[in-house]
Amino acid sequence: DTAVSQTPKYLVTQMGNDKSIKCEQNLGHDTMYWYKQDSKKFLKIMFSYNNKELIINETVPNRFSPKSPDKAHLNLHINSLELGDSAVYFCASSLPGLLSYEQYFGPGTRLTVT
Amino acid sequence: ELKVEQNPLFLSMQEGKNYTIYCNYSTTSDRLYWYRQDPGKSLESLFVLLSNGAVKQEGRLMASLDTKARLSTLHITAAVHDLSATYFCAGMNRDDKIIFGKGTRLHILP
Repeated sequence: DTAVSQTPKYLVTQMGNDKSIKCEQNLGHDTMYWYKQDSKKFLKIMFSYNNKELIINETVPNRFSPKSPDKAHLNLHINSLELGDSAVYFCASSLPGLLSYEQYFGPGTRLTVT
Repeated sequence: ELKVEQNPLFLSMQEGKNYTIYCNYSTTSDRLYWYRQDPGKSLESLFVLLSNGAVKQEGRLMASLDTKARLSTLHITAAVHDLSATYFCAGMNRDDKIIFGKGTRLHILP
């Protein structure tokens, strides 16, 4: 009964392709996030959704498009993949409001673009 | 925008020793987080510190927060090999965005 799950765990693809990463949480959280961790382990937020509504949209190429069909799911679609997109992508979820905002991270998706 | 700086970025230490990881942040942050990440794994939440003077302890790890100095510390007591990991601190921006430090890669020698 994984709290935050992502699929696939590994993704190897060629430049120019379009791919999607799926994320689901069963914690009943309202807020979900996508983070990118580069080869130097630096973590940067990409997007945040609260109850299916986009609330944080960092400066990422518009080739990246998040989609939240419901508050338990936040998928990430990437068009025209580039070599620099290779990274580990983490999905996370949390409760909003005055609670601790503690985030629960998924296992990550290692994307390799060749 | 909030900036979070950790030091050291790399730390190699002997088992049994004590050490402290420092996390400085540039502007007001409502809360301060510490996470652990094992190689090839996800991030695990260790502590969430919500107020000035907050101190939390779990096993050999103790985290504290000084909001006036904009400083949080993660203290390791009598380190054991199992604590080898990368430790991240993170703060929260005014727009509720969580900003991570670069991480401290801790290697504990048996």
